[in-house]
Amino acid sequence: DIQMTQSPSSLSASVGDRVTITCRASQGISNYLAWYQQKPGKVPKLLIYAASTLQSGVPSRVSGSGSGTDFTLTISSLQPEDVATYYCQKYNSAPWTFGQGTKVEIK
Amino acid sequence: EVQLLESGGGLVQPGGSLRLSCAASGFTFSSYAMSWVRQAPGKGLEWVSGISGGGGSTSYADSVKGRFTISRDNSKYTLYLQMNSLRAEDTAVYYCAKGVSNWGRSYFDFWGQGTLVTVSS
Repeated sequence: DIQMTQSPSSLSASVGDRVTITCRASQGISNYLAWYQQKPGKVPKLLIYAASTLQSGVPSRVSGSGSGTDFTLTISSLQPEDVATYYCQKYNSAPWTFGQGTKVEIK
Repeated sequence: EVQLLESGGGLVQPGGSLRLSCAASGFTFSSYAMSWVRQAPGKGLEWVSGISGGGGSTSYADSVKGRFTISRDNSKYTLYLQMNSLRAEDTAVYYCAKGVSNWGRSYFDFWGQGTLVTVSS
């Protein structure tokens, strides 16, 4: 099965900073990659699908890129409401594996 | 408005069984794959099992294969997860999640609020 590895596992940044999270697949998955945000105590929320397509309602400071095995999630200007854990997920085929998550905090 | 409401969680002894349900509304249930995703306390998301819109295709994580069975009743707009031979490591919040297609290449656009399963003696 394809494994999904995120880095870093956690990060702390200041409001207004640019934040980048990386997700690597152990085999190529084309662009079948989604990103989810889970705020503390809340249900996961879809942010991005097809590696770079923003789900409706997601702020434009969030973006995704990549194809094949290497993907990134970028928040161009970190805001307090972005404090959350972010997960990538591959969906080219079952099993629809998640990365281990990246916890984002405000410095 | 899409709504997913899980039920059936609770405390069960190791080796015991439990059946989770997820009542869906607000979309044509039979047209979409559904999955169960779990989250152990303080841990990340783990996909557990998925089923196609018609119910003819299923898939399981290795960690639950042979112990869990996913099913659906499209006439009742309800998804199920039968969990047998439960272990302490199955303790988690279990979410049902709606896929965006009938099967295959399907990420999850809506999630339920989750139901907590605790396996302990």
